[in-house]
Amino acid sequence: NAGVTQTPKFQVLKTGQSMTLQCAQDMNHNSMYWYRQDPGMGLRLIYYSASEGTTDKGEVPNGYNVSRLNKREFSLRLESAAPSQTSVYFCASSAYYEQYFGPGTRLTVT
Amino acid sequence: AQRVTQPEKLLSVFKGAPVELKCNYSYSGSPELFWYVQYSRQRLQLLLRHISRESIKGFTADLNKGETSFHLKKPFAQEEDSAMYYCAFHKIDQFYFGTGTSLTVIP
Repeated sequence: NAGVTQTPKFQVLKTGQSMTLQCAQDMNHNSMYWYRQDPGMGLRLIYYSASEGTTDKGEVPNGYNVSRLNKREFSLRLESAAPSQTSVYFCASSAYYEQYFGPGTRLTVT
Repeated sequence: AQRVTQPEKLLSVFKGAPVELKCNYSYSGSPELFWYVQYSRQRLQLLLRHISRESIKGFTADLNKGETSFHLKKPFAQEEDSAMYYCAFHKIDQFYFGTGTSLTVIP
């Protein structure tokens, strides 16, 4: 099992560009999450999906959209990237109380 | 509002010394609390959860409801314990993470 996979691993965008971060899990988990990790801020939840077909805002949803394409896949879209969105993005999935994390995507917006 | 506080951003201890990483939470219900760890160049992973009351890699954490704390402890730190540690709790469908403590164990 690959667990949670994320693509790409690194990305550099110019302000105003758009992109989609992909996440997939092969553990048949119902819940999936997107976090951003910033120095001194810890992990902050952007969006989550408790089950296929549902999505909900987390702590910092502004500037992002998500799609729960199916039970396996949960994508995060930046429609118009801003320098404030420079961060490391983590996808995670969970069945009950344990979260399984992807390797992260390091995004730089110039 | 639900909140997890980790007061120390950085913590350094010598190898063999005891280590305690502090975590306080504010939550009105019965929390499900966790410690997650991120070693250099590795994924964030679960270290332990309070409900299982187990010791992982020599670490333990006791839930103190009176002080609303869930401090992580290890009696003798090892160099391989150097990592970023996050305290977190789970409520309904969400996990709430603290800001993390970067632990450095000095040889």
